[in-house]
Amino acid sequence: EDQVTQSPEALRLQEGESSSLNCSYTVSGLRGLFWYRQDPGKGPEFLFTLYSAGEEKEKERLKATLTKKESFLHITAPKPEDSATYLCAVQGGDDKIIFGKGTRLHILP
Amino acid sequence: DGGITQSPKYLFRKEGQNVTLSCEQNLNHDAMYWYRQDPGQGLRLIYYSQIVNDFQKGDIAEGYSVSREKKESFPLTVTSAQKNPTAFYLCASSSRDRIYGYTFGSGTRLTVV
Repeated sequence: EDQVTQSPEALRLQEGESSSLNCSYTVSGLRGLFWYRQDPGKGPEFLFTLYSAGEEKEKERLKATLTKKESFLHITAPKPEDSATYLCAVQGGDDKIIFGKGTRLHILP
Repeated sequence: DGGITQSPKYLFRKEGQNVTLSCEQNLNHDAMYWYRQDPGQGLRLIYYSQIVNDFQKGDIAEGYSVSREKKESFPLTVTSAQKNPTAFYLCASSSRDRIYGYTFGSGTRLTVV
């Protein structure tokens, strides 16, 4: 069964303290892995799409990487405005997109 | 600016009442989706539509209904058969190649009173 697991469920960091969020997946025929940011009471906002192992993408303080079994979202020197829930989703060979439960990130000033 | 508009932002439903959530997009996307989000759970797919006048059940379709009469619109009706409708509902759309995954609306929070 296709599955997406995100860890940790929640993470509290001091401003400037770099860390990584994990998304591990089992899917038949990965067609794409997506990262989204979701603020409270709002819809998810697209961040990155990764297609193949070894691929990396960056945007400001965020960098997403992909291996054959997992993806990491690295956050470098985070600021309080980076506080949000980060969602990972995978698209398998059957074209279905499955979402993880998300990691709630809180950056303390 | 292109995007997805969901309305209303907040909705209250009485027991035994049907309510309809609106979703409109001007992105010229073929596919549209409805998800339900509950605390501590991932997004769960209710219904999706890949073309006008056609739609398929997702993982939790019971107690919900949809229509797709226009490319731009994909309304969701929460019927009285849905026993636990209080949740945050998200509408999304995607292009065929899904380079950007989904584009989401801002959500509707439905509460049973």
